[in-house]
Amino acid sequence: QSVLTQPPSVSAAPGQKVTISCSGSSSNIGNNYVSWYQQLPGTAPKLLIYDNNKRPSGIPDRFSGSKSGTSATLGITGLQTGDEADYYCGTWDSSLSVVAFGGGTKLTVL
Amino acid sequence: EVQLLESGGGLVQPGGSLRVSCAASGFTFSSYAMSWVRRAPGKGLEWVSSISGSGGTTYYADSVKGRFTISRDNSKNTLYLQMNSLRAEDTAVYYCAKGPYVRNFDYWGQGTLVTVSS
Repeated sequence: QSVLTQPPSVSAAPGQKVTISCSGSSSNIGNNYVSWYQQLPGTAPKLLIYDNNKRPSGIPDRFSGSKSGTSATLGITGLQTGDEADYYCGTWDSSLSVVAFGGGTKLTVL
Repeated sequence: EVQLLESGGGLVQPGGSLRVSCAASGFTFSSYAMSWVRRAPGKGLEWVSSISGSGGTTYYADSVKGRFTISRDNSKNTLYLQMNSLRAEDTAVYYCAKGPYVRNFDYWGQGTLVTVSS
C-alpha cells in the first residue's frame, strides 16, 4: 500500500485537459514539497514538476502542478497521444523518514 | 550534460547477493544526494534508499532495511547498492536518481534489471 493515493487510471481525448490527484497526510504532502514524474513505456522516469508547481527547463507549460493542504494535483492540457504514460507523485514523509511515491496513474489519450 | 549509467544487474538466485553501480558525470557528484528507486514488473515506482553527498547520512525503505546497503565513492563519481539476501520480490529495474530526496529527483539513469529467480 502506497503512502500517497492516486487514481489508477485516467483518460481523455486528444486536445482535452486531465487532472491527476495525489492524496497524503500532514507528515508528507502537508509539510513537504511535492514532485511529479512521467514514465513513458520502456523509459526511465522524468521529472515533470518540482516544489509543488515549478517546471524544469524543457517541460512545456501544458503541464502544471498545485498543492492544497494534504493533496496535490497534476494538470495536463492540450493532451497529445505522446502523453500516454504512467504518472507518479512523490514527496518526503517526515514521520517515517522515507521518500513516498503514489501508486501511479496510467494516462490514456483516447 | 548530466549522465547516470547503471550497471551490474543480472540473474541471481534467492538468498544471493548482487552489487549494482551507477557511474555519474556532468555534475559535481559529491555535492548531491543520490538515491536508488526500483520498479517491479506490473508495479509502480518504489523508493529503495538515499545517501547524502558526503555519504554520512543514509535512509532505507523498510522492505530492504538490513539487507541492502547504499554507498558512494566520490573519488570515482560512483554510487553503489549492495543487495544481500535477495528475494523474488526484489526483482525489478533499479534506477539511480540524482537530487535532494526530500524534494525531488531531477535526473534518472536508464535502469538495470535485477532478476531474482531459481
